[in-house]
Amino acid sequence: ETGVTQSPTHLIKTRGQQVTLRCSSQSGHNTVSWYQQALGQGPQFIFQYYREEENGRGNFPPRFSGLQFPNYSSELNVNALELDDSALYLCASSLQGWNTEAFFGQGTRLTVV
Amino acid sequence: KNEVEQSPQNLTAQEGEFITINCSYSVGISALHWLQQHPGGGIVSLFMLSSGKKKHGRLIATINIQEKHSSLHITASHPRDSAVYICAVNSGGSNYKLTFGKGTLLTVNP
Repeated sequence: ETGVTQSPTHLIKTRGQQVTLRCSSQSGHNTVSWYQQALGQGPQFIFQYYREEENGRGNFPPRFSGLQFPNYSSELNVNALELDDSALYLCASSLQGWNTEAFFGQGTRLTVV
Repeated sequence: KNEVEQSPQNLTAQEGEFITINCSYSVGISALHWLQQHPGGGIVSLFMLSSGKKKHGRLIATINIQEKHSSLHITASHPRDSAVYICAVNSGGSNYKLTFGKGTLLTVNP
């Protein structure tokens, strides 16, 4: 067990709705990265938060947004859900720095219908 | 062409067999990760490599920076090793923006 907790584990939403996914990082870790994993694919980097600020972003539209809190936990928000947003959303916590190890949560399985 | 390519995509083995999964990448990297993903989604970090070789129990990971290639070996495979094994590279210096391969689905039959 990594100490990285994601909630909820499963979620079903309707197209056009908004969703918030949560990630509690491992104790002492100040960096959270979010990834989207479509069925049968490898994860794709969405963005990273370091000390409450976005610290890098992948090729995702602005309707994907995030937050990091003073305790370093993080939220991923997706507005105007589309069917293609159905995926496993993973967060990983780490320390910021050169080649530090990342610890992954169990993921949130989002289904958009 | 993906920046990270894994082979094979699927692998079926009998218990006890020696397993090799390969990863090739096309970008300069600062580190390469081998990850394990079980059904249900959770990812576990197995190794992080920037050179040479690492061993943990029955798992061995090697990397050749000049050839941009890494291998994950499993000795004396067991049905509980059945999972998806994913190679990911860190090309950004800091640990964000890992670029992942599509994974290798390993099934070990008793």
